[in-house]
Amino acid sequence: DAGVTQSPTHLIKTRGQQVTLRCSPISGHKSVSWYQQVLGQGPQFIFQYYEKEERGRGNFPDRFSARQFPNYSSELNVNALLLGDSALYLCASAPGQGVEQFFGPGTRLTVL
Amino acid sequence: DQQVKQNSPSLSVQEGRISILNCDYTNSMFDYFLWYKKYPAEGPTFLISISSIKDKNEDGRFTVFLNKSAKHLSLHIVPSQPGDSAVYFCAASAQGGSEKLVFGKGTKLTVNP
Repeated sequence: DAGVTQSPTHLIKTRGQQVTLRCSPISGHKSVSWYQQVLGQGPQFIFQYYEKEERGRGNFPDRFSARQFPNYSSELNVNALLLGDSALYLCASAPGQGVEQFFGPGTRLTVL
Repeated sequence: DQQVKQNSPSLSVQEGRISILNCDYTNSMFDYFLWYKKYPAEGPTFLISISSIKDKNEDGRFTVFLNKSAKHLSLHIVPSQPGDSAVYFCAASAQGGSEKLVFGKGTKLTVNP
């Protein structure tokens, strides 16, 4: 079975630009979460969507937004990029509530 | 404010010996704890979890111990193998594991042949 897939793998942007990252969950999983991992730190929660509804939001500015589509795939959008947004962005999926999340390989975003 | 702390950035052990990775937490609302392993250029891989109603969970070579009164958990790997070399993250959730996870900074384990 295919795991969580994310695209693109790597991305280079300049300050002020906008970026869209994509995630396809494991088949049958209805929950998708996004995390940001800065070098030397653990992943930090950004958003969680379950059945296309936002169920949680971390301590990130409004420049970060996300959505989940009817097929349960998800997009993370970041506007007005800052140098500090450079990080590995991880997507995780879960079949439902109360079970473990499974992570994709991540998208490495570099902001110059 | 770090709610989940892994105070050892790195740990080195010999193949065949026990690896013990430690994790402390401060939020009493956490009721589910997980360990993830991460290789370079890959996403975290789920290893083992434990609910706050238990004090031990075992899966093959991996055992997680939870001490709620001390707000401390540990991951034991016995016997350690070179393929276990990776960064290990402790994570906690206040809602059963599929909701927001709060991660520690990770411990880099090196298992020497």
